[in-house]
Amino acid sequence: SAVISQKPSRDICQRGTSLTIQCQVDSQVTMMFWYRQQPGQSLTLIATANQGSEATYESGFVIDKFPISRPNLTFSTLTVSNMSPEDSSIYLCSVERAGEQFFGPGTRLTVL
Amino acid sequence: QKEVEQNSGPLSVPEGAIASLNCTYSDRGSQSFFWYRQYSGKSPELIMFIYSNGDKEDGRFTAQLNKASQYVSLLIRDSQPSDSATYLCAVNIVDNAGNMLTFGGGTRLMVKP
Repeated sequence: SAVISQKPSRDICQRGTSLTIQCQVDSQVTMMFWYRQQPGQSLTLIATANQGSEATYESGFVIDKFPISRPNLTFSTLTVSNMSPEDSSIYLCSVERAGEQFFGPGTRLTVL
Repeated sequence: QKEVEQNSGPLSVPEGAIASLNCTYSDRGSQSFFWYRQYSGKSPELIMFIYSNGDKEDGRFTAQLNKASQYVSLLIRDSQPSDSATYLCAVNIVDNAGNMLTFGGGTRLMVKP
């Protein structure tokens, strides 16, 4: 398995502001992912965070809205920019190890 | 379009019964299959994975895969109230973008004492 921490665990933000979510893993991993889980919904992949290169975004998600950093093999950040109430969701960091994906505890974001 | 389908439920079973959770997927290139359990307010927890056709057993859990029918299921024997959660089926496809994990909508399981 993998020990994954996320900060903050939750936040309440004002419309138009930005929030950066941090994800830390207990040991080096090649693949890190960011997911969104909207209320009552399943998980949707936002992007794959690549170390040393730009993140790979899924359809419907763009770098200007969700910039991602991956400075090393144990850490990544996701920023939710210019937030609106529609961005209220749980944001989950995930890592792949030995072909299995493990999830962090999530960041619960509420945008007013 | 790559899709993973699950009945949203809720699936209600009495304590001690077998709970059967089903999942179908559309992409024949799918290579590995995962079941996650998610308690309310918590993040998904991996409980089973299966790569080959047939059954795979781990304690009270059995995953079943039929690639010809594009069908994967999870059986929970001797269901307990603590098994009450949402179960997410996820399918892994390796394509040009790398490893892709696509999730179904989840099935909510309720085990009644």
